[in-house]
Amino acid sequence: GNSVTQMEGPVTLSEEAFLTINCTYTATGYPSLFWYVQYPGEGLQLLLKATKADDKGSNKGFEATYRKETTSFHLEKGSVQVSDSAVYFCALGDTGGFKTIFGAGTRLFVKA
Amino acid sequence: KAGVTQTPRYLIKTRGQQVTLSCSPISGHRSVSWYQQTPGQGLQFLFEYFSETQRNKGNFPGRFSGRQFSNSRSEMNVSTLELGDSALYLCASSLVTRGGNNEQFFGPGTRLTVL
Repeated sequence: GNSVTQMEGPVTLSEEAFLTINCTYTATGYPSLFWYVQYPGEGLQLLLKATKADDKGSNKGFEATYRKETTSFHLEKGSVQVSDSAVYFCALGDTGGFKTIFGAGTRLFVKA
Repeated sequence: KAGVTQTPRYLIKTRGQQVTLSCSPISGHRSVSWYQQTPGQGLQFLFEYFSETQRNKGNFPGRFSGRQFSNSRSEMNVSTLELGDSALYLCASSLVTRGGNNEQFFGPGTRLTVL
């Protein structure tokens, strides 16, 4: 079945460091891929998405490219800020199952 | 446009009781999904409703049930509560289009504590 695997956390970085959170997926067909972010005490919110191979999603300095050949959708940001501290979830849209499948989440701590 | 709202935000119950959680989706969104979030299991899919029909259900016991009303509002019910049901319950709505794979918009969640 469809699944998402993302790197375990927590990830701790200093402000202005480069961020990569790895995400790989298993799916039939061509699902859309998403990154969601959850700030403390809140629900999830969409950070970015890509709907087909080689698409690059971007938002707030974050980027991720849909790589079908490596079944990956790694999240990157060139310079993180303290305000980026949150839990990040990689996800894929399981159209046939009418649901979104989430990875386990990666907690990011950014130190000033 | 108002976001997804969930009520109540916090609940404390005792084992054996039952609970009903409510979710109001974004106006125009007809798909509503429910997820259980716990530190150990992460985000687990409970069920999805569209036009008052349950289209999919996750791997949860029958104590977990839900429904959707004609105005797309949804409720989920948990009967005979167990300690392990303590979790954040998240509701998400989405706009259903022909292409599928639509992003989900999440509410803030209901924090359920079972004592």
